Amino acid sequence: DVKVTQSSRYLVKRTGEKVFLECVQDMDHENMFWYRQDPGLGLRLIYFSYDVKMKEKGDIPEGYSVSREKKERFSLILESASTNQTSMYLCASTQRGGEQFFGPGTRLTVL
Amino acid sequence: AQTVTQSQPEMSVQEAETVTLSCTYDTSENNYYLFWYKQPPSRQMILVIRQEAYKQQNATENRFSVNFQKAAKSFSLKISDSQLGDTAMYFCAFRTYGGSQGNLIFGKGTKLSVKP
Repeated sequence: DVKVTQSSRYLVKRTGEKVFLECVQDMDHENMFWYRQDPGLGLRLIYFSYDVKMKEKGDIPEGYSVSREKKERFSLILESASTNQTSMYLCASTQRGGEQFFGPGTRLTVL
Repeated sequence: AQTVTQSQPEMSVQEAETVTLSCTYDTSENNYYLFWYKQPPSRQMILVIRQEAYKQQNATENRFSVNFQKAAKSFSLKISDSQLGDTAMYFCAFRTYGGSQGNLIFGKGTKLSVKP
């Protein structure tokens, strides 16, 4: 079974803090994604990566950056967290052309 | 740009009955994939069913089936014999056929409640 794990299920941070969300997949997938999920807005793509050290902006990249130093790991970084970044963050991975597999999500609260 | 619309924010159904969730999409592409994903209250998103646009036959997975109307750009999900475990958010998603990156475009979701 494909497994996508995320470092935390729940996270509480202060405004202005630097926040790291980690995602690891164990199926040697090439593509990895970070989504943000908000009620009534569905899933919105923040960034994706199709190879190590490669990244592409999604629909809402502002305020976020990413890092992919190893194929299995894709990190989402909030350089200076703000209250409007309080949300559920979902990571996903896929082999080229295949189904996306999702992690369990991280519920981030920024106070 | 492609868009996906789910017009039913919330629905409910009695256990053992049938329910249909609606999804429409907009694209100028001829070849693409359509998906229904399920997100139970535990939050792990899982794939329910997928449909390739070039296939005329509607996809079926056990109690889940789709009604794919390519000309109308409609992709509804039918759940037969609804079970309490079907309670979840359901997302319709679209992906172009070409390209290797696998980007999905999601609708805003339908919250389905199955009542005993």
